[in-house]
Amino acid sequence: SAVISQKPSRDICQRGTSLTIQCQVDSQVTMMFWYRQQPGQSLTLIATANQGSEATYESGFVIDKFPISRPNLTFSTLTVSNMSPEDSSIYLCSATDRAPSGANVLTFGAGSRLTVL
Amino acid sequence: KQEVTQIPAALSVPEGENLVLNCSFTDSAIYNLQWFRQDPGKGLTSLLLIQSSQREQTSGRLNASLDKSSGRSTLYIAASQPGDSATYLCAVGAGGTSYGKLTFGQGTILTVHP
Repeated sequence: SAVISQKPSRDICQRGTSLTIQCQVDSQVTMMFWYRQQPGQSLTLIATANQGSEATYESGFVIDKFPISRPNLTFSTLTVSNMSPEDSSIYLCSATDRAPSGANVLTFGAGSRLTVL
Repeated sequence: KQEVTQIPAALSVPEGENLVLNCSFTDSAIYNLQWFRQDPGKGLTSLLLIQSSQREQTSGRLNASLDKSSGRSTLYIAASQPGDSATYLCAVGAGGTSYGKLTFGQGTILTVHP
């Protein structure tokens, strides 16, 4: 199955700054997604990263705050802009992948844990 | 809007017990359902994927069932081990133009003590 690498794995950031998270997949994948997991919460989908076009954002998330790039079929970035303490979360990248059964599964990276002071 | 609920929120059992984790969802028009495991500070590991046309999937000591009409899924863990301690997440997948998007439950924190 696909292996997804995320960088950085964790970071401590100052209020008002921006941070870009990178997601690299070891094979070409059709779809890539970005999720957020706030402390003590489950995962919430931020957006679908579309190759060659603008990302598709879920309700409550906007491009100005979370700009996303996907220049090719194996790589995507998520930027968290003008950070505040409320942005302290784990950000996870995921991609569609093929299970041994042939079904499509979602594979996740290990996540990027951001703490905003 | 799809909502996913997991019960119980936390579970502590002695080693060797068989246990059941429950997941319910409000919209039965799902594409698939996936169970994940999350270890502290780590990402998600996919355990089992059930397509909407399937009733169950098995992998080793794990068995997941799906009753789409009643909006329920269960994850059965046989002969639990301390290494099974983790948070278990149920996620419902949408189809069509929303293919690949998952709605997650809040998770069940499982502790298996020796």
